[in-house]
Amino acid sequence: KAGVTQTPRYLIKTRGQQVTLSCSPISGHRSVSWYQQTPGQGLQFLFEYFSETQRNKGNFPGRFSGRQFSNSRSEMNVSTLELGDSALYLCASSKGLAGESDTQYFGPGTRLTVL
Amino acid sequence: GNSVTQMEGPVTLSEEAFLTINCTYTATGYPSLFWYVQYPGEGLQLLLKATKADDKGSNKGFEATYRKETTSFHLEKGSVQVSDSAVYFCALSPRSSASKIIFGSGTRLSIRP
Repeated sequence: KAGVTQTPRYLIKTRGQQVTLSCSPISGHRSVSWYQQTPGQGLQFLFEYFSETQRNKGNFPGRFSGRQFSNSRSEMNVSTLELGDSALYLCASSKGLAGESDTQYFGPGTRLTVL
Repeated sequence: GNSVTQMEGPVTLSEEAFLTINCTYTATGYPSLFWYVQYPGEGLQLLLKATKADDKGSNKGFEATYRKETTSFHLEKGSVQVSDSAVYFCALSPRSSASKIIFGSGTRLSIRP
């Protein structure tokens, strides 16, 4: 069974630009969550999508947005990039079943550098 | 609110030494608890998990027991190997939103041959 895949693996952008990251979940998984990892703030939850709807949201500004397609693939967009957005962005997928202990499986991440 | 506190690193041990990485949590209700491991240049891998009090998660020689009375989930391994060198994250997910994992700050472990 293929794992979670993320593309691209590395990105370099300049301040003010926007960027789109992609995540393909494990087959059969309907939930996709996004996390930001930085040396200063550690791992922080961005948002979760389930069946094409945002189900949970972390404490990030509106510049960070996402969407999910009918095949469960998800994209994350960051507009008006700032230097502080440089981070490893991790995607995780799970079955997303309510009321159960649902395990998230992580992809390798996209390393975003903002210059 | 929900939070996870784990011991500061880095932790450096000799091969075959005993490992303990402390983790305590604060949560409302009864969260699920996890240990994730991150090898250099890679994403997170689930190492083990426990979903209710007194559960013991185990994998690859690592163990952790869900202790509700002390709100702890300490990671242990009897004999570490060089290949165990990585960053270890303790984490919880609330019952109310299982997808929203809250992570500790991570503990970097280095094993000397």
